Amino acid sequence: LAKTTQPISMDSYEGQEVNITCSHNNIATNDYITWYQQFPSQGPRFIIQGYKTKVTNEVASLFIPADRKSSTLSLPRVSLSDTAVYYCLVGYSSASKIIFGSGTRLSIRP
Amino acid sequence: DADVTQTPRNRITKTGKRIMLECSQTKGHDRMYWYRQDPGLGLRLIYYSFDVKDINKGEISDGYSVSRQAQAKFSLSLESAIPNQTALYFCATSESGEGYNEQFFGPGTRLTVL
Repeated sequence: LAKTTQPISMDSYEGQEVNITCSHNNIATNDYITWYQQFPSQGPRFIIQGYKTKVTNEVASLFIPADRKSSTLSLPRVSLSDTAVYYCLVGYSSASKIIFGSGTRLSIRP
Repeated sequence: DADVTQTPRNRITKTGKRIMLECSQTKGHDRMYWYRQDPGLGLRLIYYSFDVKDINKGEISDGYSVSRQAQAKFSLSLESAIPNQTALYFCATSESGEGYNEQFFGPGTRLTVL
């Protein structure tokens, strides 16, 4: 099973760019890298997904180096509402291969 | 209306009681999942179902059972509740197909076992 390692917590300020890195040394060829956001007492919400290189959508960017052993979620110009827990997942379509770790607790200050 | 709904939203029960948590979805997805989340921890997979005739155990299935009554409904049962099953329970759905398919989560059920 692909296991991920990410920082337990991070702090930043409004308007800053925040980068959260996830390590996944034993990622398999078919695995995708996916990030979710979770607010207190709510279910996780999909943010972005990628397989290699760079993916960008309206809320974030995902950078994946060639060896795919790590990935970085980039949140541009964060606001207080970005305070949440962010989970990095590595997996394929089979649910048994997908594990939510403890996530990174991001706190944004004014 | 929410695409993935869970009932009840909160439940307090006593040790030894049998309880059922229900999940319904209007997304038309074949795949459904049950997770539990303990304070400060990530989600752990209990059971998942890839279609109506398919049921699979996840990481922590002991003490739980499930029923997939229809494509849209997936129920989780605690046969004899115990205090360490106190947690936040989430249902999720996803499409079928290759690659990784985004999971859509319900609002959660907060269960307390006394």
